[in-house]
Order: sequence, then C-alpha cells, then structure tokens
Amino acid sequence: GENVEQHPSTLSVQEGDSAVIKCTYSDSASNYFPWYKQELGKGPQLIIDIRSNVGEKKDQRIAVTLNKTAKHFSLHITETQPEDSAVYFCAAATGGSYIPTFGRGTSLIVHP
Amino acid sequence: DTAVSQTPKYLVTQMGNDKSIKCEQNLGHDTMYWYKQDSKKFLKIMFSYNNKELIINETVPNRFSPKSPDKAHLNLHINSLELGDSAVYFCASSPSPGTAGEAFFGQGTRLTVV
Repeated sequence: GENVEQHPSTLSVQEGDSAVIKCTYSDSASNYFPWYKQELGKGPQLIIDIRSNVGEKKDQRIAVTLNKTAKHFSLHITETQPEDSAVYFCAAATGGSYIPTFGRGTSLIVHP
Repeated sequence: DTAVSQTPKYLVTQMGNDKSIKCEQNLGHDTMYWYKQDSKKFLKIMFSYNNKELIINETVPNRFSPKSPDKAHLNLHINSLELGDSAVYFCASSPSPGTAGEAFFGQGTRLTVV
C-alpha cells in the first residue's frame, strides 16, 4: 500500500518568515495530493490540493509543489502569521481507492 | 450551520463498556467516513459508506460496528471497549467516494477508556 513520509514533525518560525513542509510518497499510482490543517480541538480542514497533472498550485500565501519523478510534494507558507499555527497533514490518494493515506503531521508554531 | 457534527465531543468510559458516537452531515453528500486519530496524531481510515452502503472496512475489529440509517447519518458503535481504543474519532463526508481526499471533517470525539 501507499506510504507517506512527512518532515519535519515540528517547525518553529517567527511571524513573517516562510515555512516549508515536505512529503514523499511510495505509490507511483498516486495522483491526488491534499493538504489539511488541524487546529487545536478541531477536525482536519482541507486547505489546498494538487493533482498529478500539475507541478505547482498557489492560493494566496500558500503554495504546493509536486515532483512526480522524485515522488516529492511540498507545502509552502509565506509571510506566516500566528493563526497559521496548527498541525498540517499531507496525504496521497490513488484513482483506485481514493482514500487518502496521511503523513504523520507537522506541528507548525508561529511566534509573534 | 455545522456541516459535519458528531456527538459527544468527549467520552470517558470504563473498559468493557459499550458506547456509541453519532454523526450527521447537512452537506447533501453521498459518502461518509470514520477515521481514528491516535495519540501521535496519526490519522487512519476505519470505514466508508456510500449512500448507506459499506464500501470500505479497513481491518477494524468486529467490536466496531458502523450503522448508516440514511445517507446523512453514520453512527459508530463500539462493544467491549479496550484501553487501546482511546483515541480521537473523526466523522467526515464527501460528495462521492471519488472525492475522499476532499472530505469535510467533524470536530472529533475524544474517547478515553479507563
């Protein structure tokens, strides 16, 4: 089955800095890569996704990149704000089952 | 309006008891899910239902029995609770099975078995 590795497990930045979270996946059949943000005491919320026919996608301060050859994908957050503090999960899904396999999460802490 | 709501938010119970968690979605989605998040935050699918029919059961013990009376509800009943069942359980929904990666999650039920 699919295996998704996510790094780092904890990321601490100053407000205004950029943050980058990296994931790798094992199943070359995976073609959909969502990113979720989980705030304390809440459920995960989809914040951005990318499909395998696209190399990069941007939405305001967040962007995702995908390298299919290397099986890497990354989340980039620019101009971080304290409200960006949360646990971020990457995931990978194939067209077969569609159920995403999640990475183990990155706890992002943005210091004011 | 809450899109995916689950009750209760917290559940503390003794080993061996039977408990249920309820979930409702008002998004008109056809597909609903139960996920388990362990103490290290790892999220894993347990079940998926599409229009009241079970379509995914990820090797979950028989003590866990989901029930979907209609496509807007997916409840989870757990028999003979064990210490290892302590976790946060999330209900989620998506328009179809093919959109599982775009699911809307509930706020979670923190189950503590003592």
